[in-house]
Amino acid sequence: VLTQSPGTLSVSPGERVALSCRASQYLGNNVAWYQQRPGQSPRLLIYAASTRATGIPARFSGSGSGTEFTLTVSSVRSEDFAIYFCQQYSYWWTFGQGTRVEV
Amino acid sequence: EVQLVESGGTLVHRGGSLRLSCEASGFTFSLYDMSWFRQTPGGDLKWLSFISASGDRVHYSDSVEGRFTVSRDNARGSLFLEMNSLRDDDTNIYYCVRQTSGFFDLWGRGTLVTVSS
Repeated sequence: VLTQSPGTLSVSPGERVALSCRASQYLGNNVAWYQQRPGQSPRLLIYAASTRATGIPARFSGSGSGTEFTLTVSSVRSEDFAIYFCQQYSYWWTFGQGTRVEV
Repeated sequence: EVQLVESGGTLVHRGGSLRLSCEASGFTFSLYDMSWFRQTPGGDLKWLSFISASGDRVHYSDSVEGRFTVSRDNARGSLFLEMNSLRDDDTNIYYCVRQTSGFFDLWGRGTLVTVSS
């Protein structure tokens, strides 16, 4: 089970935000992060806990291993207001419930 | 353009059947494992089924095992999901997704399936 916190994060453009994903079992670094904007499908941001996917801006970074993982956005822009999901791929494939980042 | 485009979602009666299709373009479809996901109205993402690049291995979640069947046609660049015995809780947006080493790097736009009595 992946538990994301907080459920909703209210921020202002330019702020730094950190989203947490906690796993109930050891995952190594088999975690990915996705962004889903309103009305769109999910987009891969990070895989292997800390590797940015192709075309993802450097303001997005991932960290952690084992059971604790973090997605950090160094300076939030207007297009970053969205829902963020973590996903594990150690034991089949499951997602967290998401963190909504809002203005 | 590298993309996946789903089709086939519609309103279907409870207990009915439906076949979803996904057309891949812009990449070598036959090299990639593929999965189907769905997203609930509340936003939860659920993995449903997996098919290997060659089609020789398939896996299903418990919620659809025995009711859904995944298949692919590599010559056409197409992925399919045959859904039978549809229930109210199968009402969701369904996504066709390209899989790379356990994570999912390309998602379709989704197709809406609505099950109604």
